[in-house]
This record gives sequence, C-alpha cells and structure tokens, in this order.
Amino acid sequence: NAGVTQTPKFRILKIGQSMTLQCAQDMNHNYMYWYRQDPGMGLKLIYYSVGAGITDKGEVPNGYNVSRSTTEDFPLRLELAAPSQTSVYFCASSGPGSNQPQHFGDGTRLSIL
Amino acid sequence: TQLLEQSPQFLSIQEGENLTVYCNSSSVFSSLQWYRQEPGEGPVLLVTVVTGGEVKKLKRLTFQFGDARKDSSLHITAAQPGDTGLYLCAGGPGYSTLTFGKGTMLLVSP
Repeated sequence: NAGVTQTPKFRILKIGQSMTLQCAQDMNHNYMYWYRQDPGMGLKLIYYSVGAGITDKGEVPNGYNVSRSTTEDFPLRLELAAPSQTSVYFCASSGPGSNQPQHFGDGTRLSIL
Repeated sequence: TQLLEQSPQFLSIQEGENLTVYCNSSSVFSSLQWYRQEPGEGPVLLVTVVTGGEVKKLKRLTFQFGDARKDSSLHITAAQPGDTGLYLCAGGPGYSTLTFGKGTMLLVSP
C-alpha cells in the first residue's frame, strides 16, 4: 500500500533557485497538508487543501505556493529559495476535520546553500 | 492560535523503566492525537482521544485525555529500545487543522 508518496527524498538547492516538491496519495482523501519540521520545533503547517481547487494558508506560508488540481496530488513550490527554507518537508493527507488521523509521507530533506 | 506544550523535551532512560510524557494547553481541544516518529520517516498515528477523562491502552502505552480536554499524557510501562523515537501530540478544534507540539524525544538504551 503506497499511502502518501513524496519526491524527491533529498535535494540541495542554491540560493535563489526554485523547485517543486511532489506529493501524491492513493487513499482518496480530500484533505492534504504540507508541513515543515525544524530541529526541536515540531511540525509547522505551511499550506493545506480541503479538496481539488481549494487551498489555504497555514502558519508559515511565506515563500511557498501550492496548487491542487486533482484529489491525488498536492505539489509545493519554492520560489527564490532562501537558507531559512532548509528543513524537512512532510506531506500528509486525511479525512475531513481535525479528529481524523493524518497519514504522512517519509519527507523531503531540503538544504539551501 | 492554539498552542501545545510538551514535556519533557528529551528523555533518556534504561530498558525496563517507566516514563510519562505530557501535553498541555490553555485551549480546549475536540480531540488529541499522539504520533510517533522514527528517524528518516514521517509521524505515525498511535491513538486519538476524544472524550474528556478518556483512557486508552495500546500494549504497554497508556494514553489519557484530561477531564477539561486541555491536556493529555502518555505513560509507557517497561520501556524497550523499540520505543525510541519522537513522540508528538496534536490537537484540533474538530473542524479545522491540527496544531502539533514540539515533541518529546525518547531514547531507550538496552
């Protein structure tokens, strides 16, 4: 069972470059999320989506963009990468509402140099 | 913004010891979830508690939701090296997104 699949697993970017982190889920979940995890800081919500065509900002959206054209895919775009965006990025999906369990991918480890 | 404070931040114990980690907030949550995250992987749900005062057991792990639904605890009996990991609590109002605590890093040595 694939669940939530994130690609790539690792990436090194130079300052000012851009890239897209891919996330796909095969559980037919309407809700999808992007988090970043920094050492000792837990998970911070970047963007989330409650269905195709609908996205909303989380706690730390600056420097990122998302789109949701299908139920399965929820890519995260970094424009003009900055060292402060060095982090581990996790994508998750769930059923509707915060009482539902979230299913996470294995993360993308991104370094901006 | 709802905040969740977890304590302790780091815990290093010997195999066979018992431990409790805490998750506290000044806000009321519709539910609280506990996740465990191992190195190089995403968090995996352990349990969801919904009712104030609720106690759930998962083998050697016991989870409790406070009566006022503002706090929760995780107790591990006779810890084993396989329990090593980052334990995260997360809560939400029921209709929106989750807020995660910063986590408790548990290291269990043989």
